[in-house]
Amino acid sequence: GAGVSQTPSNKVTEKGKYVELRCDPISGHTALYWYRQSLGQGPEFLIYFQGTGAADDSGLPNDRFFAVRPEGSVSTLKIQRTERGDSAVYLCASSLTPSWGTEAFFGQGTRLTVV
Amino acid sequence: AQKVTQAQTEISVVEKEDVTLDCVYETRDTTYYLFWYKQPPSGELVFLIRRNSFDEQNEISGRYSWNFQKSTSSFNFTITASQVVDSAVYFCALSEADSSASKIIFGSGTRLSIRP
Repeated sequence: GAGVSQTPSNKVTEKGKYVELRCDPISGHTALYWYRQSLGQGPEFLIYFQGTGAADDSGLPNDRFFAVRPEGSVSTLKIQRTERGDSAVYLCASSLTPSWGTEAFFGQGTRLTVV
Repeated sequence: AQKVTQAQTEISVVEKEDVTLDCVYETRDTTYYLFWYKQPPSGELVFLIRRNSFDEQNEISGRYSWNFQKSTSSFNFTITASQVVDSAVYFCALSEADSSASKIIFGSGTRLSIRP
């Protein structure tokens, strides 16, 4: 695609529910990243995929958060038993290669609101 | 530990004024990259510049310029003759060579408002 696409753009869910956020990276980009941005803050790193495997998941806050990228393209971020503190904008980015310092292209994000 | 500090939370200037956004970083690595991203109201982060730690040359791109000084661990961003379209949140960021490839640590951002 022309850019990184994230769906849905907005998601409102009740506390305790399960949600899935989808990221469609730029075609051909092997590296994919998830970030979380709280109001008034910079994006915080969550997880990085190189191809199908998670190369670094050190930013996932706890075991309620999980992400997959089964075919090395689309990725899904899954959050179980959502809490109000999970409310944030979840950003996805992709880059052509995972090489250090490579420019990453970001999507417009999914705004998650847990009520 | 790596850290990026953008002390200016918000800046407001009148159109055509010059404005400088400050960025101070902390890292133990000698090899790293620094970035600036722009986040307009649409929410999408737009890449502006990448600079590696071995290249201290200042850079100019149109109305944008960047001043990298390792001695003070700063990577400041100046917009000359600001325009209303420059209004956005600007993030400075750091990526260390020892971290996972392309893992980027962002500052908290500076909200820039350009008044007509």
